Amino acid sequence: QLQLQESGPGLVKPSETLSLTCTVSGGSISSSSYYWGWIRQPPGKGLEWIGSIYYSGSTYYNPSLKSRVTISVDTSKNQFSLKLSSVTAADTAVYYCAQQNNYYDSSGYKGFFDYWGQGTLVTVSS
Amino acid sequence: VIWMTQSPSLLSASTGDRVTISCRMSQGISSYLAWYQQKPGKAPELLIYAASTLQSGVPSRFSGSGSGTDFTLTISCLQSEDFATYYCQQYYSFPWTFGQGTKVEIK
Repeated sequence: QLQLQESGPGLVKPSETLSLTCTVSGGSISSSSYYWGWIRQPPGKGLEWIGSIYYSGSTYYNPSLKSRVTISVDTSKNQFSLKLSSVTAADTAVYYCAQQNNYYDSSGYKGFFDYWGQGTLVTVSS
Repeated sequence: VIWMTQSPSLLSASTGDRVTISCRMSQGISSYLAWYQQKPGKAPELLIYAASTLQSGVPSRFSGSGSGTDFTLTISCLQSEDFATYYCQQYYSFPWTFGQGTKVEIK
C-alpha cells in the first residue's frame, strides 16, 4: 500500500522560506505513470494545488505561486520536496503531498490525486 | 483560470437519505472532474475521477455524473461514515482548481 509522509518545520517566520519533504513508501517515485504533487489547505478553508513534479524533474506550478515555489525530487531517497519563499501569514496552512495520477491527451496534461499524505500544519508567525 | 461553484455549501441530511452535490464550471471541462471526501483532521480521499468512474474500494452508493460545465455527486443512501466535506476538482486545464466544498452534516 502506497504511503506518503510529509516532514518539516511546523513554524516558519515571515519572509523566510518554508521547506517540506514528502517521503514515499510502498512504491517507487520513479514510476512512469505518476507525477507527485503538493496541495495546501488554510485552516477552515478549501484546497489549493501548489505544483507537481515528475521523477525526471519536470515540473508545473500554480501561476499564483510560481514566483515563490520550487519543487524538487530525489529519486535515490524516494522523496520530493517543496520550497516556498518569502512566506507571510497567508501561507499558514496544512500542506499535503500526494500521488498524482497523470496522463497527457490532445488537450494537455491531466491529473488527479489518488493517494495523499496525512498533511502537516505549517504556521507562519514571528 | 476555471472557476468552480459548488452547491450547497452546507447540506443537512439524515442517515438513509439520498443526497446530491452540484459542481458548476465557468467553462466546459469535458469529463475531467474528480470528487474527494474529507473528514475532520484527515487528508482528502479520492472518490470519483473522470466525472463518473468510481475509485477502487469506494462504496457503490457513491456515483458521479455530468460533463461540460455541470456535474453532480450523488450518495444514494447516506451512511454515518459519509458525514464529511466533499470537494470537486477540475483537471482540464492549469491551474487545477478545487470547489469550495460542501459539508454534509447530520440533520
